[in-house]
Amino acid sequence: NAGVTQTPKFRVLKTGQSMTLLCAQDMNHEYMYWYRQDPGMGLRLIHYSVGEGTTAKGEVPDGYNVSRLKKQNFLLGLESAAPSQTSVYFCASSYRDRGDTEAFFGQGTRLTVV
Amino acid sequence: GESVGLHLPTLSVQEGDNSIINCAYSNSASDYFIWYKQESGKGPQFIIDIRSNMDKRQGQRVTVLLNKTVKHLSLQIAATQPGDSAVYFCAENRTGRRALTFGSGTRLQVQP
Repeated sequence: NAGVTQTPKFRVLKTGQSMTLLCAQDMNHEYMYWYRQDPGMGLRLIHYSVGEGTTAKGEVPDGYNVSRLKKQNFLLGLESAAPSQTSVYFCASSYRDRGDTEAFFGQGTRLTVV
Repeated sequence: GESVGLHLPTLSVQEGDNSIINCAYSNSASDYFIWYKQESGKGPQFIIDIRSNMDKRQGQRVTVLLNKTVKHLSLQIAATQPGDSAVYFCAENRTGRRALTFGSGTRLQVQP
């Protein structure tokens, strides 16, 4: 049981390049999330999904797009990378979110935009 | 605005001592709280949670205390070990809300 798996683990991009981060979970969770983590700060929600085919904006969605074509996968796209998007990105999933369930996190993707 | 914050950014304790990590929240509607542990280079890992209808909850070597009157949450770690060195985050949610809101984290350093 792998839990939440993120690929890639590390990536360096040039400003203006695009890329997609992949998140896969094998726990049959309904909800999936993308967070970013910057030094000295907690995790901030970028986008989330409450089920296959649905997505919604979080706290810091600008510059990112997401897709949830399959229940087990949640993709985060950067259309035109900027240095401000240098961060560690975490994917998470939860069975459902009535407001009282924990989220399970992946290991993170460290992205540097130069 | 609403926020979940921590009193101290770094806490240094001696091995074997008890550790107390504090967290304040501002929204009285928050009714679910989680503590996560994040080791270097890893994702956050669930430690313990508590619902607002409780004041205290215990796990293995950890205790979470919730004071709704002053909107304060604490994580107590008994007999702190070197493996407890990590960043600890509190997070909160409330019924009907879609995702957790995280505090900025406290780094726990365990001195041998």
